[in-house]
Amino acid sequence: DGGITQSPKYLFRKEGQNVTLSCEQNLNHDAMYWYRQDPGQGLRLIYYSQIVNDFQKGDIAEGYSVSREKKESFPLTVTSAQKNPTAFYLCATTPLTGPGDYGYTFGSGTRLTVV
Amino acid sequence: AQSVAQPEDQVNVAEGNPLTVKCTYSVSGNPYLFWYVQYPNRGLQFLLKYITGDNLVKGSYGFEAEFNKSQTSFHLKKPSALVSDSALYFCAVRALNSGNTPLVFGKGTRLSVIA
Repeated sequence: DGGITQSPKYLFRKEGQNVTLSCEQNLNHDAMYWYRQDPGQGLRLIYYSQIVNDFQKGDIAEGYSVSREKKESFPLTVTSAQKNPTAFYLCATTPLTGPGDYGYTFGSGTRLTVV
Repeated sequence: AQSVAQPEDQVNVAEGNPLTVKCTYSVSGNPYLFWYVQYPNRGLQFLLKYITGDNLVKGSYGFEAEFNKSQTSFHLKKPSALVSDSALYFCAVRALNSGNTPLVFGKGTRLSVIA
C-alpha cells in the first residue's frame, strides 16, 4: 500500500523459532512503526524508529526486536520469547519534516500464525 | 498520557441511512485526530484528519468528522451509507505539540451496512 512493502503476506512459525518480518518503503519517510493487531484490541505499538540506527520500544516490545540500518528498511524479528505471536502485524511510516502532518501510511500487513 | 475510546465494537446501519461512528479522546493540550478504515486482511487507509480550523472536516469517500473540544469527541459521519462502507474503522490521536510521539489508536469499530 502506498510505497510500503511488507513481506511475506502470510508466515507460519514453529514453537521456539525466531522469524523476521520485512518492511521496506520507497516514500523517503523518516519514521517507521510496527503495530500488532489482535481482534478486539485495536493496534498496539511494538517498536518505532525516527532515524537510522535509533529506535524506541512501544507498549508491547517484549519478545520482539528491530533494526534500522537504512532509512528504507525496518525489519521486525519475533523471537521465541514472544509467547503468543499469532497476530496481524502492520508496518507504518510518516515523514517528520515538511509542511503539515500527513499521518501514517500503512503497509498491507503480515499475518503470523504459530503452528 | 494519550488515549482514544471507541465505545461501540459494532455499528449496524441500513443502506441509505446516515451513519455515525463514535470516538472520544484524551490528550494534554490540543489534539491531532485521525480516522482510518481497514478492509479485511489489508492495512489501514487514511480517511481524514483534524489539526486546527473548522470543526467539521471532510474526507475521502464522502465521510466527514466533527471535532467537539468541550466533549473531547471526534465522531465520524456519513449522510448516506453504502454497503461498500462496511469495514473496520479506527480513530487515532496524539497531542499537537508532543514532539512526534506515535499515534495512539482506538480498538476499532466494525461498521456493517445492510442492503
